[in-house]
Amino acid sequence: AQTVTQSQPEMSVQEAETVTLSCTYDTSENNYYLFWYKQPPSRQMILVIRQEAYKQQNATENRFSVNFQKAAKSFSLKISDSQLGDTAMYFCAFMKTGANNLFFGTGTRLTVIP
Amino acid sequence: ETGVTQSPTHLIKTRGQQVTLRCSSQSGHNTVSWYQQALGQGPQFIFQYYREEENGRGNFPPRFSGLQFPNYSSELNVNALELDDSALYLCASSLRLPLGAGELFFGEGSRLTVL
Repeated sequence: AQTVTQSQPEMSVQEAETVTLSCTYDTSENNYYLFWYKQPPSRQMILVIRQEAYKQQNATENRFSVNFQKAAKSFSLKISDSQLGDTAMYFCAFMKTGANNLFFGTGTRLTVIP
Repeated sequence: ETGVTQSPTHLIKTRGQQVTLRCSSQSGHNTVSWYQQALGQGPQFIFQYYREEENGRGNFPPRFSGLQFPNYSSELNVNALELDDSALYLCASSLRLPLGAGELFFGEGSRLTVL
């Protein structure tokens, strides 16, 4: 069974600063995908970034980047130049390659302070 | 291109009743997944439908059932509602890909309260 752990229930960051959200996971699989999703107050889950486990290079999407440590089963999200619109719940998620479902962590509530 | 739409947005039921939640998938998407998100928790996979058939199921009892229609829209039905069924129910659509890594597009969810 796969488990995803987010140990930071809440975090805050000053606008324009950088923040890192942590995620660890447990799996016996070798081929899988990792995701960070954002859920603003509107409740709609939005994909922030995706990482394929077979790729050593860390994924980057504009201000969002990840630090993927496969051996340590760690997958953190770094948000640079934080903006007020980044305020949301952030969920880390795992999916085995070829599977049809995501396993989510319990989320981190991020607040960007003006 | 229309996104994923869900209805109703909010509803209140009493224990023992039945509920039907509806989802219209994003244009061109042929796969629909349903997730339950309890308060303060991450979403949990209920089941997925592909080509009108169930294509995987999470750890939910049979009173959770679903349908997918030829236009790829979907319904989630829950019978004999229990208090613990109170949650946000999220629908997500995607294109079925061999690697199963197609991006999921989520709706805004249906908030169910069971009294």
